[in-house]
Amino acid sequence: DVVLTQSPVSLPVTLGQPASISCRSSESLLYSDGNTYLTWFQQRPGQSPRRLIYKISTRDSGVPDRFSGSGSGTDFTLKISRVEAEDVGVYYCMQGTHWPPYTFGQGTKLEIK
Amino acid sequence: EVQLVDSGGGLVKPGGSLRLSCAASGFPFINAWMSWVRQAPGRGLEWVGRIQSKTDGGTIDYAAPVKGRFTVSRDDSKNMLFLQMNSLRTEDTAVYYCTVDSGGGPAWWGQGTLVSVSS
Repeated sequence: DVVLTQSPVSLPVTLGQPASISCRSSESLLYSDGNTYLTWFQQRPGQSPRRLIYKISTRDSGVPDRFSGSGSGTDFTLKISRVEAEDVGVYYCMQGTHWPPYTFGQGTKLEIK
Repeated sequence: EVQLVDSGGGLVKPGGSLRLSCAASGFPFINAWMSWVRQAPGRGLEWVGRIQSKTDGGTIDYAAPVKGRFTVSRDDSKNMLFLQMNSLRTEDTAVYYCTVDSGGGPAWWGQGTLVSVSS
């Protein structure tokens, strides 16, 4: 199975400052159809996960544009341009290229300093 | 608006069975690929199983830890997804989420239902 490794595990950030989360895959996530199925989720405390970004960089409807995704092959990044209080939670990357199974990163906990 | 309502969780003894349900609305369920994802207390996300739409072949895939014990099924006439869980183990304790797959994986998520396996 494909292993996704996120870093850092814990991310303390000052309000209004940028934040960046890395997701590295054990294999290239480029699929034969030309798409790369790398997804980012946000899970706020006590809530279900919410998809933020799919296919590396496509934002879901209603997701603020301060969230952006980038990367290719095996290295991917989620960036938040200016962290707000509502961004506190755990962020997960997930791959849907080599399925089954879908696999998730271990999560990155974002907190406010 | 996509809505997924998970139900059926509870406390069960090791070796027991439980059936989870997911009521779906707000999208064409008959064409949807659906998954179950679980989250053990204080832990990360783990995909459990997925069922394709019947028009796409209806293939069902499972994660290795649950294969042979869990069964995913659907009732397109009632917009319902199910997870039959047999031979439950303590390590199956988790919140179970129903999801709609789109764009390469789970897109919309239910609120989750808690399954506790303990003697």
